[in-house]
Amino acid sequence: GAGVSQTPSNKVTEKGKYVELRCDPISGHTALYWYRQSLGQGPEFLIYFQGTGAADDSGLPNDRFFAVRPEGSVSTLKIQRTERGDSAVYLCASSLFGTTANTQYFGPGTRLTVL
Amino acid sequence: GQQVMQIPQYQHVQEGEDFTTYCNSSTTLSNIQWYKQRPGGHPVFLIQLVKSGEVKKQKRLTFQFGEAKKNSSLHITATQTTDVGTYFCSSRFGGGGSNYKLTFGKGTLLTVNP
Repeated sequence: GAGVSQTPSNKVTEKGKYVELRCDPISGHTALYWYRQSLGQGPEFLIYFQGTGAADDSGLPNDRFFAVRPEGSVSTLKIQRTERGDSAVYLCASSLFGTTANTQYFGPGTRLTVL
Repeated sequence: GQQVMQIPQYQHVQEGEDFTTYCNSSTTLSNIQWYKQRPGGHPVFLIQLVKSGEVKKQKRLTFQFGEAKKNSSLHITATQTTDVGTYFCSSRFGGGGSNYKLTFGKGTLLTVNP
């Protein structure tokens, strides 16, 4: 595809509900990243996939957050028992490989609002 | 933890004035990236710097990496209204297999008065 795509663009949910956020990376990119951006802050790292496996999930805030990338392309970020503090823009990025030389390209993000 | 600090947090200029934002770290950086995020948009990659003292230019934008690799700057000459947005610096900390994770500064929000 032309760039990283994310769906939905906006998600409003109620406290305690489960949500799934989808990321479709640039075709051929093996590395995929999820970041979270709160108002007035820079993006914060959540998780990194190289291929199908989560190479680093150290940024996930707690065990309510989980992400998968079963076929090494599309990824889904899953949040259980959402809390108001989970409200933020969730950004996905991809790069050709997960090394220093490779630029990370960001998608448009999903704005999650937990009421 | 390892972080990059950006100043100023906000900058308002008249169209045609120059603008500079600075990125600083207490530790030596192996690389630095600059991204631009328009209001309501997502971060868009501008450039990556890796060499000590490196200077790169993109039209009216000049990027510099300090000799000690602890600071970087982005300078815009003769700002235009299209330059409005938040400018973030980021870096990858950690060697070996952990050099993929971007750590972002808080950004500098630039507004331009036409």
